Amino acid sequence: DIQMTQSPASLSVSVGETVTITCRASENIYSNLAWYQQKQGKSPQLLVYAATNLADGVPSRFSGSGSGTQYSLKINSLQSEDFGSYYCQHFWGTPYTFGGGTKLEIK
Amino acid sequence: EVKLVESGGGLVQPGGSLRLSCATSGFTFSDFYMEWVRQPPGKRLEWIAASRNKANDYTTEYSASVKGRFIVSRDTSQSILYLQMNALRAEDTAIYYCARVNDYDGGAYAMDYWGQGTSVTVSS
Repeated sequence: DIQMTQSPASLSVSVGETVTITCRASENIYSNLAWYQQKQGKSPQLLVYAATNLADGVPSRFSGSGSGTQYSLKINSLQSEDFGSYYCQHFWGTPYTFGGGTKLEIK
Repeated sequence: EVKLVESGGGLVQPGGSLRLSCATSGFTFSDFYMEWVRQPPGKRLEWIAASRNKANDYTTEYSASVKGRFIVSRDTSQSILYLQMNALRAEDTAIYYCARVNDYDGGAYAMDYWGQGTSVTVSS
């Protein structure tokens, strides 16, 4: 099974700052990677698919990058509504494992 | 408007069974892969089951943690996805989500719509 290692596990940041979350796959997943945002008590929402493509309605301050085994989600100029947890997930064969999550908190 | 609504969660004793439902609307159910994902309290999301689309004969796959105990199925006439959970264990306690998988550009997948989740607690 492909393991997804996400870092950092948590991050305390201020509104307006820029953050980068990384996700490392245990083998090449050929950009078959999605990023999700999850607010407390809510279901996940898709942000990015195929490593670099923003889902419909996602603000342009979000961007995804990477290839092979290393991927990143960058959020420019954090807004208050961006706080929550973020997960990566690969789609290079089942099981479609998720990363451990990154909890973004207000400083 | 795409909607996914789960139901059927609750409290069940170890060894017991439960069937979850995911009622869908707003899209052609048979065209899409559908998945079950769960999240134990305070833990990461875990993919547990897949139901492929009609073009792929509605084939199914399971994670090792539920294979042989859980069964995913569809009622295509009512656009409902099911998860039959048998031989439940304490470690199956979680919020269970159904999700639709979109195939972007023929091969780029992602779960683009999720239900609100239904809570399953396995405890005596």
